[in-house]
Amino acid sequence: AQRVTQPEKLLSVFKGAPVELKCNYSYSGSPELFWYVQYSRQRLQLLLRHISRESIKGFTADLNKGETSFHLKKPFAQEEDSAMYYCALITQGGSEKLVFGKGTKLTVNP
Amino acid sequence: DVKVTQSSRYLVKRTGEKVFLECVQDMDHENMFWYRQDPGLGLRLIYFSYDVKMKEKGDIPEGYSVSREKKERFSLILESASTNQTSMYLCASRGLAGFTGELFFGEGSRLTVL
Repeated sequence: AQRVTQPEKLLSVFKGAPVELKCNYSYSGSPELFWYVQYSRQRLQLLLRHISRESIKGFTADLNKGETSFHLKKPFAQEEDSAMYYCALITQGGSEKLVFGKGTKLTVNP
Repeated sequence: DVKVTQSSRYLVKRTGEKVFLECVQDMDHENMFWYRQDPGLGLRLIYFSYDVKMKEKGDIPEGYSVSREKKERFSLILESASTNQTSMYLCASRGLAGFTGELFFGEGSRLTVL
């Protein structure tokens, strides 16, 4: 089964501290993974995709096939990073769909 | 910018009522999706449509149906609303050309069933 697991429902850190949002996946083959973010009262939007190997708003995520993980990291959290974060992967076989994890709510305290 | 518009931001309905949630996108996208968003459960796919008049069940289609008569519009229908369908409903779309995994979401429709 193709599945995304985000083990933490809630994560709270202080401003300036490093943050890591965990994501593990179950997938046979080469997965395509993404992080989506939803700020308060805003629509859900793409944050970054693993194939781009990009840094967006200071966030990076590295695909680790050995550990089947795609953790989202930022060295110095900011208050404006407080949001709901979802990890997702594209399913294989048939119609391509995005499967989402259950999400992690990040709170960055002043 | 891609615009996905959900016609109703907030709805309150009674048990047994028929409910229509409308979604319109302006980027000529082939694929459209309806997700349900619940705290602790994340986003769950209800239905998606890969073209006009084409639809496919997602993970939780029970109690829902959809309609896609025009490319830009995708409707979610609750034939007989129940209290366990109280939720936030998100519509999304994507184009097929060079799909990069990016779905464009609407602002959501928060439905309360009394």
